[in-house]
Amino acid sequence: AQKVTQAQTEISVVEKEDVTLDCVYETRDTTYYLFWYKQPPSGELVFLIRRNSFDEQNEISGRYSWNFQKSTSSFNFTITASQVVDSAVYFCALSEAPFYAGGTSYGKLTFGQGTILTVHP
Amino acid sequence: NAGVMQNPRHLVRRRGQEARLRCSPMKGHSHVYWYRQLPEEGLKFMVYLQKENIIDESGMPKERFSAEFPKEGPSILRIQQVVRGDSAAYFCASSSSDNPAYNEQFFGPGTRLTVL
Repeated sequence: AQKVTQAQTEISVVEKEDVTLDCVYETRDTTYYLFWYKQPPSGELVFLIRRNSFDEQNEISGRYSWNFQKSTSSFNFTITASQVVDSAVYFCALSEAPFYAGGTSYGKLTFGQGTILTVHP
Repeated sequence: NAGVMQNPRHLVRRRGQEARLRCSPMKGHSHVYWYRQLPEEGLKFMVYLQKENIIDESGMPKERFSAEFPKEGPSILRIQQVVRGDSAAYFCASSSSDNPAYNEQFFGPGTRLTVL
């Protein structure tokens, strides 16, 4: 069965520090998708990124970057020069192989427990 | 282009009452997922529906919980005879049809259920 582990329950940093949020996943499928979502204090879930298992290129979007390493089953998320507005709960999630690729998934997401990030001014 | 809508945003029920949570997916989306977020926990999948069909209900509790997505109208998550342990945030997400496993799921703002 699939599993997502975010070992860091809470992280506290001071503004402008870089911070990395760890995500480790388990799956038996060779085709799968990884996601990061942000949940600010207001409670809604904001999509940040999607990555498929065949694309190990790292990605950068502004101050955000993601490091995907299949060898260690990790999909880590780094915020550079953190800001107070980055304070939120961040969730890593996994979706397994779709049915047409031999899997059984219809897209349900398995979430990690979340990491609470607090950025102090 | 309206996003995923959920109502009510907050719902208070006494033990034994029924709770009905509504979700209107984004325009053009025919796939709906329900997730539950218990306090201090991550989100857990409950059920996946397409119009008029329940496709995957592997995360639904066996009793008191049901879901539907009729041909017309919103998806409904129904909890009968609520208990305190049902207090949680319930999120609905929708996606478009061509690749449900890959496509981004757009989440609604959630319904916070409190059972007194």
